Amino acid sequence: GQNIDQPTEMTATEGAIVQINCTYQTSGFNGLFWYQQHAGEAPTFLSYNVLDGLEEKGRFSSFLSRSKGYSYLLLKELQMKDSASYLCAVTSTDSWGKLQFGAGTQVVVTP
Amino acid sequence: DAGVIQSPRHEVTEMGQEVTLRCKPISGHDYLFWYRQTMMRGLELLIYFNNNVPIDDSGMPEDRFSAKMPNASFSTLKIQPSEPRDSAVYFCASSSNGDTDTQYFGPGTRLTVL
Repeated sequence: GQNIDQPTEMTATEGAIVQINCTYQTSGFNGLFWYQQHAGEAPTFLSYNVLDGLEEKGRFSSFLSRSKGYSYLLLKELQMKDSASYLCAVTSTDSWGKLQFGAGTQVVVTP
Repeated sequence: DAGVIQSPRHEVTEMGQEVTLRCKPISGHDYLFWYRQTMMRGLELLIYFNNNVPIDDSGMPEDRFSAKMPNASFSTLKIQPSEPRDSAVYFCASSSNGDTDTQYFGPGTRLTVL
């Protein structure tokens, strides 16, 4: 089975940095995704990590440690439009193509 | 590409009525997923198809729910009879075999059952 934990909510100021942690327990771990979901909209793909280390994509970076079952999403130079829910999701070799989503972290960016 | 297309975008119905949600995946994608999202339970996978064949329907709540994929460009999710607790946003997503499993979501159907 799979168990994915992430904080429920985080608040940060415009221009600051926020780190959203995600821990998981899964058999046959294959990779980890981060999705962004604005209120009333569909989730959109942000990043994918399969190997240990940091993947940087503009203001957003994602880190993975397979041995620790841990990932984080780093949002830098926060903008008001970054206020959204951020979903961590894992895939495993036991279920090719299937994603298991965490409950999501609501990030609130304040002026 | 137009992305994943879902219809209707909003559906309001009365308890006991049949509801049919529709999805057109991205052309060339081999996988199609149906999700349900509520505040209480988050994003739940209901069923997914690979090459039009249902692979895992363990997330389907009960026999009132059924899904079909008659061809590579169309899928339906049907609820019959509908109940108020089925009120949720239903998302369809698709992905390409070998594309690192990245799923692309449609805009969703907001279902309200009165």
